[in-house]
Amino acid sequence: AQSVTQPDIHITVSEGASLELRCNYSYGATPYLFWYVQSPGQGLQLLLKYFSGDTLVQGIKGFEAEFKRSQSSFNLRKPSVHWSDAAEYFCAVVLKAAGNKLTFGGGTRVLVKP
Amino acid sequence: GAGVSQSPSNKVTEKGKDVELRCDPISGHTALYWYRQSLGQGLEFLIYFQGNSAPDKSGLPSDRFSAERTGGSVSTLTIQRTQQEDSAVYLCASSPLGSAVNTIYFGEGSWLTVV
Repeated sequence: AQSVTQPDIHITVSEGASLELRCNYSYGATPYLFWYVQSPGQGLQLLLKYFSGDTLVQGIKGFEAEFKRSQSSFNLRKPSVHWSDAAEYFCAVVLKAAGNKLTFGGGTRVLVKP
Repeated sequence: GAGVSQSPSNKVTEKGKDVELRCDPISGHTALYWYRQSLGQGLEFLIYFQGNSAPDKSGLPSDRFSAERTGGSVSTLTIQRTQQEDSAVYLCASSPLGSAVNTIYFGEGSWLTVV
């Protein structure tokens, strides 16, 4: 079945440590790929997106993501986490042949330890 | 403000009652979306409006759900005869054009609780 999977429901990381959030998709063609962040009580904010070209994408707040076609993955990374990065992170896709609807993964909740 | 505005921010309603949720998109945005975020279901697409085109209603879970967009701007999501499983956060979003290359901006949501 076509899907977007975020294997990790929760991740706990120490402040200053690196963070990697996994995202895999299962579609016949490469979709457009997005990462969103949802902080407590706030709406979803776009961190970065990938359409084509350079497979390493830079986003806001010091995040980056790497598209790997061979692994059908689009993992999000940050070299050094700040306490304000505690939030829920969603990977999302748009199928090029299916209009402009975002399909979201289940989300990964990140907790940051002091 | 300049963002997507939703009202009410919180709504508690009795089972069986109808509710209306309102969305004011960013001025000039032609595309408008409704999503539902609930425990155990994640973020689900509900409906998508793009300009004067017929809306994509493929995500509406039942005929109790409907939405309209008047004048290409404000949208109202209506849930009739609410059920407890309708309890969720309803998120509205808009984008300048109905194309994935344009960023989709989300509102803070309307939290619906059906008791």
